[in-house]
Amino acid sequence: KNQVEQSPQSLIILEGKNCTLQCNYTVSPFSNLRWYKQDTGRGPVSLTIMTFSENTKSNGRYTATLDADTKQSSLHITASQLSDSASYICVVSPRPENFGNEKLTFGTGTRLTIIP
Amino acid sequence: DTGVSQDPRHKITKRGQNVTFRCDPISEHNRLYWYRQTLGQGPEFLTYFQNEAQLEKSRLLSDRFSAERPKGSFSTLEIQRTEQGDSAMYLCASSQGTQSVISYEQYFGPGTRLTVT
Repeated sequence: KNQVEQSPQSLIILEGKNCTLQCNYTVSPFSNLRWYKQDTGRGPVSLTIMTFSENTKSNGRYTATLDADTKQSSLHITASQLSDSASYICVVSPRPENFGNEKLTFGTGTRLTIIP
Repeated sequence: DTGVSQDPRHKITKRGQNVTFRCDPISEHNRLYWYRQTLGQGPEFLTYFQNEAQLEKSRLLSDRFSAERPKGSFSTLEIQRTEQGDSAMYLCASSQGTQSVISYEQYFGPGTRLTVT
């Protein structure tokens, strides 16, 4: 079973509307959680990184929340634009060892489509 | 452009052939990662370098796969005797890791799309 589960698997919304993507994880001990945006055929681009002590972080129209107790995160997109059409991947990192591999665990992503 | 670059962007090869991909990380980054991503899935970890040392390899990395980072800068990933199941996007990422930094940002390259026919 994947340690990072995302929902919904896909989402279609009208341009200008808001949406919220969900991420549940079981990775432990936990260090940080990231949200990446990946356009088709491109590498992922980081949107936000939150450590276990943070519960919200914003990057423009993107706002991520984190509840480390329930192991849940959400990504809220405000006033969606056509360019927001992409996959949004939740990535969890366990507590790192010194100079160790971060061992990122990726979710399978939510495919978001914005229609005019 | 000072980001992570990968070459080639696309590669089509026949089953049984060898292929080699190159990754140039962000210049001051000491860590380099290779991932594989199949359609509809998130990236899966393949291997990790700290400077020139290959410190970890995933079980996904069969004997047909080899990665190098000879001078601690660029890295190559070679796949020998390619199989159709090797068709995927191969992503490279780099980061700057120190003992005092808790969160390390990984910067991804655009990927190399491999198609094995």
